[in-house]
Amino acid sequence: TQLLEQSPQFLSIQEGENLTVYCNSSSVFSSLQWYRQEPGEGPVLLVTVVTGGEVKKLKRLTFQFGDARKDSSLHITAAQPGDTGLYLCAGNFGNEKLTFGTGTRLTIIP
Amino acid sequence: DTAVSQTPKYLVTQMGNDKSIKCEQNLGHDTMYWYKQDSKKFLKIMFSYNNKELIINETVPNRFSPKSPDKAHLNLHINSLELGDSAVYFCASSQELGSAPLEAFFGQGTRLTVV
Repeated sequence: TQLLEQSPQFLSIQEGENLTVYCNSSSVFSSLQWYRQEPGEGPVLLVTVVTGGEVKKLKRLTFQFGDARKDSSLHITAAQPGDTGLYLCAGNFGNEKLTFGTGTRLTIIP
Repeated sequence: DTAVSQTPKYLVTQMGNDKSIKCEQNLGHDTMYWYKQDSKKFLKIMFSYNNKELIINETVPNRFSPKSPDKAHLNLHINSLELGDSAVYFCASSQELGSAPLEAFFGQGTRLTVV
């Protein structure tokens, strides 16, 4: 069974600060995604990474895939209240399903 | 244009009842899923269908029976509801494109409360 651990579980910071959240697995991903989920809504895909060491940017969000493809990080620069939500990583281990991480609940305080 | 839509959004029912949740996707995807999200926000796959055929059944009690009349629809019927079934159920879909990574698109969820 593949497990994805995310850290921290909860994070509350002031508007304008930077933050990083992490996603770790003991198994190698064939691909990894980050989703954001807002209250009362379903998860929405932010990015997919495939290649070890890959870095992708989405405005103020920077996603990095570890060289060994077992971990990933999401860095947010100058956080805004609109970034508040539940951030989920999800990995595909070469089978026909996505395994989701334990989630990071992010709150940005205005 | 709603890509993945599920109904109802909220469902409150008594223990022992039977209920259904419906899901439809207009993305032309071949694969549809049911996920369960518990109170700690952990999202766990229950079932996966590809072109109306069951391909994943993650040791879900057989009180839960998915049905896919066509590849755009995947419904979930639950018999003899129990308190522990209370959760948010999400439908999702994805398209298999050779070696392209699997990316899921989710509905808004159905919050099921069993009393």
